[in-house]
Amino acid sequence: EVQLVESGGNLVQPGGSLRLSCVASGFTFVNYPMYWVRRAPGKGLEWVSVISGSGGTIFYAESVKGRFTISRDNSRNTVYLQMYSLKVEDTAKYYCAKGEGWCESDSSACYRHFDYWGQGAQVTVSS
Amino acid sequence: DIQMTQSPSSVSASVGDRVTITCRASQSVSSWLAWYQQQPGTAPRLLIYAASSLQNGVPSRFSGSGSGTEFTLTINSLQPEDFATYFCQQAKSYPYTFGQGTKLELK
Repeated sequence: EVQLVESGGNLVQPGGSLRLSCVASGFTFVNYPMYWVRRAPGKGLEWVSVISGSGGTIFYAESVKGRFTISRDNSRNTVYLQMYSLKVEDTAKYYCAKGEGWCESDSSACYRHFDYWGQGAQVTVSS
Repeated sequence: DIQMTQSPSSVSASVGDRVTITCRASQSVSSWLAWYQQQPGTAPRLLIYAASSLQNGVPSRFSGSGSGTEFTLTINSLQPEDFATYFCQQAKSYPYTFGQGTKLELK
């Protein structure tokens, strides 16, 4: 059974830092890209970041670029989201999600949906 | 970025009804479109991927169709557990984007 368990959510002041963790089980972790997606109160879902299975390919949403860092430890089946310079608008529930889908034969492009999600970690940025 | 627009933003229906939700993309995403259901306080759940493929374990009353820029999610014979918020997501290119959500409420 696939399980994703996030931790590290907390109340933090604007300008502060926080690190979220997501421990995965039930699948061969290194073979899959992992994502962070958030949902702010009263808003919709927002894709935040992705890291490939090897960790060699990373993308960020423009809203977090330069402030958030995604990483993974394949020996611990864990993906991380290090968040710096937090803003009030970063307040949200943060979900890690496993990526599934297809890649072009030459790996020039991949098309991913999120087939498993964690329960979420609440991040509140407030003074 | 590819903008995703869902309609309606909310819909009221009764148990047993059929409901259709539309998702439009600002440019073609081919068939790289997924649908998710989210109940209050829980994680999103994948329903449909690649526009029309039903995720394992999802009831067959859920179906998806479309390609290019226009997609639909249809729920036949609504059940009490279907009242939730639904999101579409384009998987064509980064940044992945979601529709704003459609809240399905009990009439």
